[in-house]
Amino acid sequence: GENVEQHPSTLSVQEGDSAVIKCTYSDSASNYFPWYKQELGKGPQLIIDIRSNVGEKKDQRIAVTLNKTAKHFSLHITETQPEDSAVYFCAASRSGSARQLTFGSGTQLTVLP
Amino acid sequence: DAMVIQNPRYQVTQFGKPVTLSCSQTLNHNVMYWYQQKSSQAPKLLFHYYDKDFNNEADTPDNFQSRRPNTSFCFLDIRSPGLGDTAMYLCATSRDLGNVEGYTFGSGTRLTVV
Repeated sequence: GENVEQHPSTLSVQEGDSAVIKCTYSDSASNYFPWYKQELGKGPQLIIDIRSNVGEKKDQRIAVTLNKTAKHFSLHITETQPEDSAVYFCAASRSGSARQLTFGSGTQLTVLP
Repeated sequence: DAMVIQNPRYQVTQFGKPVTLSCSQTLNHNVMYWYQQKSSQAPKLLFHYYDKDFNNEADTPDNFQSRRPNTSFCFLDIRSPGLGDTAMYLCATSRDLGNVEGYTFGSGTRLTVV
């Protein structure tokens, strides 16, 4: 089955700096890669996603890149703000798969004021 | 707004005392999922319902059961909670199997077994 590895497990950045979180996946048939933000005591919220026919997607300060050959994808947050502090999870899924989403282990991002 | 609602937000139960967690959705999604998330870990899928069809993950303990009486509601029953079942329990929905775009999580129920 699919295996998703996520790095780093913790990341601290100064407010205004950029943050990058990386994930690798094992199933070359995976074709949908969402990123979730989970604030303390809340459920994960989708912040951006990308399909395998696209190499990059951007939404304001957040961008995701995908390298299908290397089977890795990354989340980029620019101009970080204290409210970006949260746990971020990557995930992978294959259309038609009954196993649905496979999550990475999460990254605790702390943005220091 | 359409959403996924979980009740209660916090639940404390005694070791061995059955407990039921509730999830409702207004999205009219066909699939409802239950995840267990322990501290500092990724969510782990327990089972899902596609309409009325129940699908259990191979490593989900028998102690965990689920009911889906209608499209909108899904329940997680823990028959005899152990201390190791202390966790956040997340409900999620998606429109269809194999199409996880539009996957929506509830806010979770934090269960503590004492």
